[in-house]
Amino acid sequence: NAGVTQTPKFQVLKTGQSMTLQCAQDMNHNSMYWYRQDPGMGLRLIYYSASEGTTDKGEVPNGYNVSRLNKREFSLRLESAAPSQTSVYFCASSEAPQHSYEQYFGPGTRLTVT
Amino acid sequence: LAKTTQPISMDSYEGQEVNITCSHNNIATNDYITWYQQFPSQGPRFIIQGYKTKVTNEVASLFIPADRKSSTLSLPRVSLSDTAVYYCLVGDVYGGATNKLIFGTGTLLAVQP
Repeated sequence: NAGVTQTPKFQVLKTGQSMTLQCAQDMNHNSMYWYRQDPGMGLRLIYYSASEGTTDKGEVPNGYNVSRLNKREFSLRLESAAPSQTSVYFCASSEAPQHSYEQYFGPGTRLTVT
Repeated sequence: LAKTTQPISMDSYEGQEVNITCSHNNIATNDYITWYQQFPSQGPRFIIQGYKTKVTNEVASLFIPADRKSSTLSLPRVSLSDTAVYYCLVGDVYGGATNKLIFGTGTLLAVQP
């Protein structure tokens, strides 16, 4: 099992450009999440999907959109990138959205917006 | 959601036992306590979870006093490879779509030879 995979690993964008970060999991998990982590900071939840067909905002959703394409895939889109979105983005999945279920994280996407 | 407070950093030496304490004064009845570990340039990894008293697995122990307002992650005989950031999280075990993990800034554990 690959677990949680993310593409790309690195990306540089110019201000105003758009891009989609891809995430896939092969653990048959129901819930998926997108976080961002700024230097020296903890992770902050952007959006999550408790189950296929549902998405909801997290702590910092502004400037992002998500799509739960199917049970395996959850993508994060930046429509018009801004320097403030320079960060490391982590995707995660869990069997269920309750806190008692362990979240499995991908390796991250390092995004720089100039 | 219960807020957690942890030390920003801790230092230790190889072979020592390390205890990292987390304060969560507003913990609710349905809340569980979970610890994650994060190495540089990697996503966090689940270490241990508990509700009360003591939980032990192959990696760590978690001590939770009766009032549950704090918890202590214990790492026995740390090695250089245990250098990482450790996050304490508190969340509603029955939470559905509204349940979210709040990571905070964590505790940076630096293990020296």
